[in-house]
Amino acid sequence: ETGVTQTPRHLVMGMTNKKSLKCEQHLGHNAMYWYKQSAKKPLELMFVYNFKEQTENNSVPSRFSPECPNSSHLFLHLHTLQPEDSALYLCASSQGEGTGYTFGSGTRLTVV
Amino acid sequence: DAKTTQPTSMDCAEGRAANLPCNHSTISGNEYVYWYRQIHSQGPQYIIHGLKNNETNEMASLIITEDRKSSTLILPHATLRDTAVYYCIVSRNTGKLIFGQGTTLQVKP
Repeated sequence: ETGVTQTPRHLVMGMTNKKSLKCEQHLGHNAMYWYKQSAKKPLELMFVYNFKEQTENNSVPSRFSPECPNSSHLFLHLHTLQPEDSALYLCASSQGEGTGYTFGSGTRLTVV
Repeated sequence: DAKTTQPTSMDCAEGRAANLPCNHSTISGNEYVYWYRQIHSQGPQYIIHGLKNNETNEMASLIITEDRKSSTLILPHATLRDTAVYYCIVSRNTGKLIFGQGTTLQVKP
């Protein structure tokens, strides 16, 4: 356990479904991040939150909708996804941008 | 943030030191060098970071050249469990971590 917990570990969803990924950190960190890792590609930064405020959106399609109700929880709401959105979605937290990140184990998403 | 260049892959014999190089010739004075690793299908794990001086912790040592244009991560006694993708990232202390392709290290018995 890293102190960053992601659920579910695996998710299969249809293109018309709506689902949510959850991330919770028990480290007292104030920054949280969503990354996407497609097969054989580097991690891509999607969203950054500092003290619950979104500070970065890296041109992510609107079918991905993040939510950060408090500094310990981060959600990624998914709707009308495409098969190419199938990937490992990783959540991370840190005490501040650029300090050591702690990653969760990820959610392996398959869109069918 | 500065870009880094790493070899695509490396092999290392179990029990020997693994030396992973990284070039970051455009690094700025306020940018740190970070190393992470990712074991298959898991989240990346922080290893070590440094600014100018060499650093050592329980996992590894980081050697940064005097001109800061390159660095080497050293795993002193590699084990099979060290097989992973190793990422070298340069970033300001208030910057984001942008991952590249990394180096796939294969530790062999």
